[in-house]
Amino acid sequence: AQSVAQPEDQVNVAEGNPLTVKCTYSVSGNPYLFWYVQYPNRGLQFLLKYITGDNLVKGSYGFEAEFNKSQTSFHLKKPSALVSDSALYFCAARGGEEYGNKLVFGAGTILRVKS
Amino acid sequence: ETGVTQTPRHLVMGMTNKKSLKCEQHLGHNAMYWYKQSAKKPLELMFVYSLEERVENNSVPSRFSPECPNSSHLFLHLHTLQPEDSALYLCASSQEVAGRNSPLHFGNGTRLTVT
Repeated sequence: AQSVAQPEDQVNVAEGNPLTVKCTYSVSGNPYLFWYVQYPNRGLQFLLKYITGDNLVKGSYGFEAEFNKSQTSFHLKKPSALVSDSALYFCAARGGEEYGNKLVFGAGTILRVKS
Repeated sequence: ETGVTQTPRHLVMGMTNKKSLKCEQHLGHNAMYWYKQSAKKPLELMFVYSLEERVENNSVPSRFSPECPNSSHLFLHLHTLQPEDSALYLCASSQEVAGRNSPLHFGNGTRLTVT
């Protein structure tokens, strides 16, 4: 079965410090990986995706994510956190055709950035 | 403006009521989705439509009935719901249903409370 794990329910970081939100995946074939962000009372917004190529992917709002095939991880990172980054972050993975290329989401990680 | 509009934003209904959730996408996408978001759980995919044809129904109770009259509109008809159905219902669209490269574009959701 395909799955995505976000091992931390919540991540707390001080403004200006680097942040990491962790994600590991288990999908068949070459994975297509995504990060989404959800602000209060809003839907999910697409942040970035990894399809192929460079393992470091850059996305919106200064976020980036690093694909690590050997560790089956796709951690979200930002060099300097802002209070406005506080939100709920979802990792998602799309597996192979035998699973209908279905998109599977993690349970989400709350990021709190304190000033 | 997300390109995907959901109405109403909030809905409170009794267990014997009948109501409908509406979703409209202005992105020219061919695929539309209903997701259920409950606290501390991964997003649950409920229904998938591709070019107005239902392509997936993930064992959703019959008290939820989707309708897709055209590729821009999606409805979720609700009938005799249970309190455990209270959740945020998210509509999403993508360029193609099985496109591995296609991120989802979400609406802001309808917060449903069943009393």
